[in-house]
Amino acid sequence: GGIITQTPKFLIGQEGQKLTLKCQQNFNHDTMYWYRQDSGKGLRLIYYSITENDLQKGDLSEGYDASREKKSSFSLTVTSAQKNEMAVFLCASRGTGDSDYTFGSGTRLLVI
Amino acid sequence: GQGVEQPDNLMSVEGTFARVNCTYSTSGFNGLSWYQQREGHAPVFLSYVVLDGLKDSGHFSTFLSRSNGYSYLLLTELQIKDSASYLCAVREPNYNVLYFGSGTKLTVEP
Repeated sequence: GGIITQTPKFLIGQEGQKLTLKCQQNFNHDTMYWYRQDSGKGLRLIYYSITENDLQKGDLSEGYDASREKKSSFSLTVTSAQKNEMAVFLCASRGTGDSDYTFGSGTRLLVI
Repeated sequence: GQGVEQPDNLMSVEGTFARVNCTYSTSGFNGLSWYQQREGHAPVFLSYVVLDGLKDSGHFSTFLSRSNGYSYLLLTELQIKDSASYLCAVREPNYNVLYFGSGTKLTVEP
C-alpha cells in the first residue's frame, strides 16, 4: 500500500512571512491537489497539478504559489502569511480513471 | 462553477439511521463522492456515485438524482463511532476536480 505524507504537521508563522508546505506520495499518482479547510467550512481548492511541472489554479489560488518538480511531490507556498490566519491545508492525490482521492493528514497553520 | 450545499448538523440515536442530504448546482458533472472526516483527521473516501438510484454498500448507502441535483448518504444501524463530519463533493469533468460542501456534523446519541 501507498502513503501520502505532509510536512510539517503543525506550522506557526509570523505575519508577512513566506511559508512552504510539502506533500509526498508513493502511489505513483499523476494528479495532486492542495485544499484549504477553515473551521466550519468545506475544502476549497488552491492548486492542482496533472503531471510533473504542471500547475493549475483553483478558486483560492491568490496569495499562494505551488511547485511540482517531481511526480511524487507537490509543494505549496503561502507568499505572505496573514495575521490571525488559522486553517488546515490538505494535500491529495488521485490515480487514473474513476479512482478517488487519497488525502494526507494535513498541515495545521497558525499565524501570530 | 459548482455550488454544493449540506446542512451543518444532524443528530440521531444509536441503533437507528441517519440521512445526510446534499444538493448541488453544477456547470459540469462527473459524479459525486462522499467522505467521512473525524475531528483532526483527513477525509476518508466512502462512496462514489455517477448513475441515478440507490447504491447499497452495507452500513453506508448513497442515492443520486441528477435531474434534481440531489444526493444523500444513508447510515443504518448507527453506532456511537459513526459520529463524524460527512462531506459531499461533486466531481467536475475537467481532471476530476472535487468541489466540496461544508460538511454535515453527525452526532449519534446513546
